[in-house]
Amino acid sequence: KQEVTQIPAALSVPEGENLVLNCSFTDSAIYNLQWFRQDPGKGLTSLLLIQSSQREQTSGRLNASLDKSSGRSTLYIAASQPGDSATYLCAAPSGTYKYIFGTGTRLKVLA
Amino acid sequence: NAGVTQTPKFRVLKTGQSMTLLCAQDMNHEYMYWYRQDPGMGLRLIHYSVGEGTTAKGEVPDGYNVSRLKKQNFLLGLESAAPSQTSVYFCASSSTGGAREKLFFGSGTQLSVL
Repeated sequence: KQEVTQIPAALSVPEGENLVLNCSFTDSAIYNLQWFRQDPGKGLTSLLLIQSSQREQTSGRLNASLDKSSGRSTLYIAASQPGDSATYLCAAPSGTYKYIFGTGTRLKVLA
Repeated sequence: NAGVTQTPKFRVLKTGQSMTLLCAQDMNHEYMYWYRQDPGMGLRLIHYSVGEGTTAKGEVPDGYNVSRLKKQNFLLGLESAAPSQTSVYFCASSSTGGAREKLFFGSGTQLSVL
């Protein structure tokens, strides 16, 4: 059974800092892993989807890595901005049809 | 450019009342999902559908029913609401690959059961 854990639960950093968010999963037989952003009172927006054949995926200041053998993924945010403040969730597949979500890391970037 | 649309956005029910949440997607996606989000518990899958006319149970299906009569719509029903069903409900969809594809989410329904 897939279980997904995100540490830390909350993070507060000054503007401009580079930061890393962590995601771990128990079942490494996955097709991919997704990272999402959720703003307060809003739905989830997919940021990056890393296929199992890839080790990294980049979008702008975001870079996500995937290490299936260790059951870990990281989301790297470069030169953080106050607009990056949000909750970041990762999700790993469980079987063919379903994703299991972590509880998220709540990020606050201070101006 | 609607994507996934959920109605209503907010609802307050009394214990024992019934209601239906509607999810509509305009991306011709095969797969649709209903999640609930509770503080400290992340998103948990209630029910899902792999195509028109199909439904399947997720992690927390008790107290909910679903229907997928049309490909673009996925309905979530509460027959007799309980306070434990107070939550934020999200609908999501993905294309033909299921757990191989990106998930697209609606903006959520805040439900309070008194």
